[in-house]
Amino acid sequence: SQQGEEDPQALSIQEGENATMNCSYKTSINNLQWYRQNSGRGLVHLILIRSNEREKHSGRLRVTLDTSKKSSSLLITASRAADTASYFCATAANSGGSNYKLTFGKGTLLTVNP
Amino acid sequence: KAGVTQTPRYLIKTRGQQVTLSCSPISGHRSVSWYQQTPGQGLQFLFEYFSETQRNKGNFPGRFSGRQFSNSRSEMNVSTLELGDSALYLCASSAWTGGDANEQFFGPGTRLTVL
Repeated sequence: SQQGEEDPQALSIQEGENATMNCSYKTSINNLQWYRQNSGRGLVHLILIRSNEREKHSGRLRVTLDTSKKSSSLLITASRAADTASYFCATAANSGGSNYKLTFGKGTLLTVNP
Repeated sequence: KAGVTQTPRYLIKTRGQQVTLSCSPISGHRSVSWYQQTPGQGLQFLFEYFSETQRNKGNFPGRFSGRQFSNSRSEMNVSTLELGDSALYLCASSAWTGGDANEQFFGPGTRLTVL
């Protein structure tokens, strides 16, 4: 079953604009990670935010985490055509015996138009 | 360091056959996880191995199995293939040394088509 649910399912913007994707999850987590996947290929890790962190930056990426609302957002600033990809959030669960896997959402398909 | 490699990249099988997929993790990584990705179900966790031991398993039937060798390379096997097994199978390795699940490095995947 999916833990994370991304919103929106698809997002189309112009180059230079900012893109915001949201992720909601259901159970307590240790950390939340964002990945990118270019069409039908392997996933690339973008950023990890721990449950005791509220915000994290990496280059043009900004991630926030609100554990009280069980939600996270990924902001990509000044988007480029090369950012076109599917973006997934993944949660590392807090329960014993489940710390060794990530549970992925269904992803947001981001299209950046030149 | 070389990335995660998966072989073969593409595979076509018929119903009832079995298939073995291979994954070589990044050198030094001892944790290897497998995922199935389909348009309908998204990315689903299959199992995870660490030092040749399966530590966690997803909700898949017993037809799906795996193993890990002493050099951390891993294989997964699917027996009695069904049409619904058509998917992209992704392997990921991690330098996990304790605590939370951390960053995973994914291979390019094996695209399995079952006819």
